[in-house]
Amino acid sequence: TQLLEQSPQFLSIQEGENLTVYCNSSSVFSSLQWYRQEPGEGPVLLVTVVTGGEVKKLKRLTFQFGDARKDSSLHITAAQPGDTGLYLCAGAWGTDKLIFGTGTRLQVFP
Amino acid sequence: KAGVTQTPRYLIKTRGQQVTLSCSPISGHRSVSWYQQTPGQGLQFLFEYFSETQRNKGNFPGRFSGRQFSNSRSEMNVSTLELGDSALYLCASSFEPFSGNTIYFGEGSWLTVV
Repeated sequence: TQLLEQSPQFLSIQEGENLTVYCNSSSVFSSLQWYRQEPGEGPVLLVTVVTGGEVKKLKRLTFQFGDARKDSSLHITAAQPGDTGLYLCAGAWGTDKLIFGTGTRLQVFP
Repeated sequence: KAGVTQTPRYLIKTRGQQVTLSCSPISGHRSVSWYQQTPGQGLQFLFEYFSETQRNKGNFPGRFSGRQFSNSRSEMNVSTLELGDSALYLCASSFEPFSGNTIYFGEGSWLTVV
C-alpha cells in the first residue's frame, strides 16, 4: 500500500521555468524528507522538515511542510538542467521506518 | 570519508536461483537499511539492522532475508528468485537507527532475473 502520493509523476520543462512538486498523504508524519536521485546513483537527501508549516530554502529550492504534517511541496525557481532527476519525498513516524513517495521525474531542457 | 559501498553493482540471475548482495556502511555507522526500487512500486523498505539485530521489517515475503555483522557490514539474500524480483536494491546507512536523521544511500545493486 502506497501511503505517499506525489504529483505530477512526470514533468518536462524548459530551463528558467518554475515548478512545484506535491507530496500528499492521509497519514500524519513526525518528519518528512525530500531526496533527489540521479540515474545510476542512490537518492541524496535534500532537506528534512519537522514542524507543521515549516518552510526551508535551499538556494533555488523551497520546501514546505503542511500545517497538519500530512503533505509537503517542493518549489524550484528558474529550473536548470542540473535539476534533472527523480525527486522523492519520504515520511517517517518517530524512529520507525521511512516510507517513500511514488516519485516525480523531472527533465529540464536547456 | 568513503560512502556506502554496495557489491555487486550489476548481476543477472535465473529464476529459482538465490542471490546475496553486500553493503559496507560509512565508517562509524551502525545502522543499515535495505530498500527495493522498481518502476512500478517505487522505493520500498525491506529491513533495517542495528548492532547485528533486525529492528524493523517491511512487507516482503520470507524469501527476502538479511543479516548484519559485527563490523556493521550487511548482506541481504533473496532465495528462489522470481522475475518480479528484478529491481535496484539500495542500502543506506546512518550512525544510529533512523529517527529523522540523515541516511546515506549507496549506488545500489541492479538485479535482473531472467
